[in-house]
Amino acid sequence: QITLKESGPPLVKPTQTLTLTCTFSGFSLSTSGVAVGWIRQPPGKALEWLALIYWDDDKRYSPSLKSRLTITKDTSKNQVVLTMTNMDPVDTATYYCAHKDSSGYFLDYWGQGTLVTFSS
Amino acid sequence: SYELTQPPSVSVSPGQTANVTCSGDKLGDKYVSWYQQRPGHSPVLVIYEDSKRPSGIPARFSGSNSGNTATLTISGTQAMDEADYYCQAWDSSIPYVFGTGTKVTVL
Repeated sequence: QITLKESGPPLVKPTQTLTLTCTFSGFSLSTSGVAVGWIRQPPGKALEWLALIYWDDDKRYSPSLKSRLTITKDTSKNQVVLTMTNMDPVDTATYYCAHKDSSGYFLDYWGQGTLVTFSS
Repeated sequence: SYELTQPPSVSVSPGQTANVTCSGDKLGDKYVSWYQQRPGHSPVLVIYEDSKRPSGIPARFSGSNSGNTATLTISGTQAMDEADYYCQAWDSSIPYVFGTGTKVTVL
């Protein structure tokens, strides 16, 4: 059974760096073709893809956010970490991580999401 | 950048058929997936590779993709199908492009 769970600070301040961790089970990020992605959703708005990391450490980023994002993996811990620099209130959103199957281009398992908001 | 456009809302009566469209340039050349998101919940994959259903997804969900438009069809719509639906395509420049989302209301 594949599960993913996001963790991170619920509150951030402007200009801070956000670090989110996705801890997963039921699959290995060493398996050919497998990947883990991050997607966010501002309140009441659509899904937005952020980043993806493959089993072979290949990384892809959203062009609009590429300069602010870094995605890494720790295969031994079954974790994927996303950092986003220079946070702004417009980055308020629920952040999800999701599993990409080795055979396709879809996200078949999603975490429960973690809401990130701003403190004044 | 590649964009996918969906109607903001679709209304359907219980037991009837709902069609949710997703438009993008030469979308028929790409594989399209569809996700259901109920309020307060994470997205759930309901269709992948245009028309395939994951295990556990009811047969009333089906999909098609041709030309510039992909369509999610919900036949015999039930109250539990009321949710937001997002299409997603894979593009060489951006691995995951999501549509603008459609709220399906079962009246």
